[in-house]
Amino acid sequence: KAGVTQTPRYLIKTRGQQVTLSCSPISGHRSVSWYQQTPGQGLQFLFEYFSETQRNKGNFPGRFSGRQFSNSRSEMNVSTLELGDSALYLCASRLDGGSGEKLFFGSGTQLSVL
Amino acid sequence: GENVEQHPSTLSVQEGDSAVIKCTYSDSASNYFPWYKQELGKRPQLIIDIRSNVGEKKDQRIAVTLNKTAKHFSLHITETQPEDSAVYFCAAIVPSSGSARQLTFGSGTQLTVLP
Repeated sequence: KAGVTQTPRYLIKTRGQQVTLSCSPISGHRSVSWYQQTPGQGLQFLFEYFSETQRNKGNFPGRFSGRQFSNSRSEMNVSTLELGDSALYLCASRLDGGSGEKLFFGSGTQLSVL
Repeated sequence: GENVEQHPSTLSVQEGDSAVIKCTYSDSASNYFPWYKQELGKRPQLIIDIRSNVGEKKDQRIAVTLNKTAKHFSLHITETQPEDSAVYFCAAIVPSSGSARQLTFGSGTQLTVLP
């Protein structure tokens, strides 16, 4: 079974621009979560999508948004980029069944904002 | 919301020695506690997890203990090897409405195993 796939692997943007990141979960997994990872800040929860609906949201500004498609693939969008948005963005999928708490991570998208 | 604190932030041990990483959580409703290992440049990977109805769980050289009364849990690695060098994250899940659960991570521990 293919793992969680994130594209692109690297992105370089300038302040004020917007960016869209993509995540394809493990086949059969219906939940996709997004995390921001920065040195010293660990993994910060952004949001979680399940069946095309956002069902959990972390403490990030409205510039961070996402969506999920009917095939469970998810996209995350960041508008009006700021220097502080430079980070590794990880998505994770889970089955969401009875023992569905196990999260499987993708390799991440490294975003650099100049 | 849930708050997870992890200590130490860095840990160096000699090969063959044991390593212990400790985490505390704030929400007594948390009921699932996974540990993830992230090697340099790679994705976090689940190495062991424990549920709130269990006090200890072992998997070869790795063990996790949970003290619900004190709200802390620990990762124990015995007979450490150089390939154990990585960043380790603890996490806790607080049940939200329905089946929605939010995973809160600790800030990570950089473990270095010295040959």
